[in-house]
Amino acid sequence: GEEVAQTPKHLVRGEGQKAKLYCAPIKGHSYVFWYQQVLKNEFKFLISFQNENVFDETGMPKERFSAKCLPNSPCSLEIQATKLEDSAVYFCASSHGTPGNIQYFGAGTRLSVL
Amino acid sequence: EDKVVQSPLSLVVHEGDTVTLNCSYEVTNFRSLLWYKQEKKAPTFLFMLTSSGIEKKSGRLSSILDKKELFSILNITATQTGDSAVYLCAVGLNRDDKIIFGKGTRLHILP
Repeated sequence: GEEVAQTPKHLVRGEGQKAKLYCAPIKGHSYVFWYQQVLKNEFKFLISFQNENVFDETGMPKERFSAKCLPNSPCSLEIQATKLEDSAVYFCASSHGTPGNIQYFGAGTRLSVL
Repeated sequence: EDKVVQSPLSLVVHEGDTVTLNCSYEVTNFRSLLWYKQEKKAPTFLFMLTSSGIEKKSGRLSSILDKKELFSILNITATQTGDSAVYLCAVGLNRDDKIIFGKGTRLHILP
């Protein structure tokens, strides 16, 4: 597609429940990035993929968070046993890889953990 | 540690004013500097700068990069209420296509 598509727009979970977020990158883009933005503050990098391979996962919390990008499927970010502090907007972005680093963002998924 | 610092963090001006937003950085493996505008949802791309001294322009917005002093500015002339947004500066690194974001400048234009 011509834009990064994220679903759902809003997700509400009780503490301890699982949350799964999806991202379809722009067609032809080989890199996918996930970010967490808490309360309109700075973007925290979580993980990046080059095609279906994890490229950089230095921002991923060691527990509860996992992500995948499988061929012919949207990428996903899953949070097991959500906590209140996971409440944030999760943005996905995609890029060509070269030239430069222009990343194009999806509209985000707002996760509310109650 | 790589970092991107934006100033001011918040700015309120009247319609018609000109504003200058600042972004300084300290990173290893610099590749590019990017500006984004974030209104309600997704950040939208404004400019990518890779070379010093070359101004990029789009309508009332312009930006320039100084790779020696490690900073960039974003200028908006004749501001309009629709310019109200958070402006994000990000630095792209040569490794992994990663970008490091600043905290943003929240700009509010009063009618």
